[in-house]
Amino acid sequence: NAGVTQTPKFQVLKTGQSMTLQCAQDMNHEYMSWYRQDPGMGLRLIHYSVGAGITDQGEVPNGYNVSRSTTEDFPLRLLSAAPSQTSVYFCASCPAAGGNTEAFFGQGTRLTVV
Amino acid sequence: DQQVKQNSPSLSVQEGRISILNCDYTNSMFDYFLWYKKYPAEGPTFLISISSIKDKNEDGRFTVFLNKSAKHLSLHIVPSQPGDSAVYFCAGGTSYGKLTFGQGTILTVHP
Repeated sequence: NAGVTQTPKFQVLKTGQSMTLQCAQDMNHEYMSWYRQDPGMGLRLIHYSVGAGITDQGEVPNGYNVSRSTTEDFPLRLLSAAPSQTSVYFCASCPAAGGNTEAFFGQGTRLTVV
Repeated sequence: DQQVKQNSPSLSVQEGRISILNCDYTNSMFDYFLWYKKYPAEGPTFLISISSIKDKNEDGRFTVFLNKSAKHLSLHIVPSQPGDSAVYFCAGGTSYGKLTFGQGTILTVHP
């Protein structure tokens, strides 16, 4: 009954370091996405994927890379961390397109870049 | 260009009374709208949704109303309970599960 699992829960990086935020879902959902949450701005879409091998940019993609080699996993890579990337990151998965399709969210990764 | 706006940062109500959370949007292309509830240090959890072709959807204590001409939706919680205290986000959805969120409203329900 895991749902969407994100690791790590907390991370501190130095400016310029790289890292990968992991996201895995066990619901066989086709669609997965990454959001970041900043104070007063709600959640903003970074990248999304409609299936293995297919990814696309969201609203705030700069500084992040993604890949989707399997249905279950959708990692988010920070190539060279910047203080502006300090945020809480949420991964979500969704079973299908259209309709009242709810997205299921992980518990989040709190990232601080110093 | 904020496509979804929640203009009230916070709302405080008494237990047992009605809570009304509001949301405005500008993008006419949304296929559906959703409300999420979020507790601190947790991910958002789905509450209720409504298709863009409907004007009302009800689920227990929660009812969402959609006024397409005004581009406005609202979430009614009746009766409100202390456990409802959380941050509430409205979101507009299009294909592929892409969601556009509002800024959130902090609801506090006092016993």
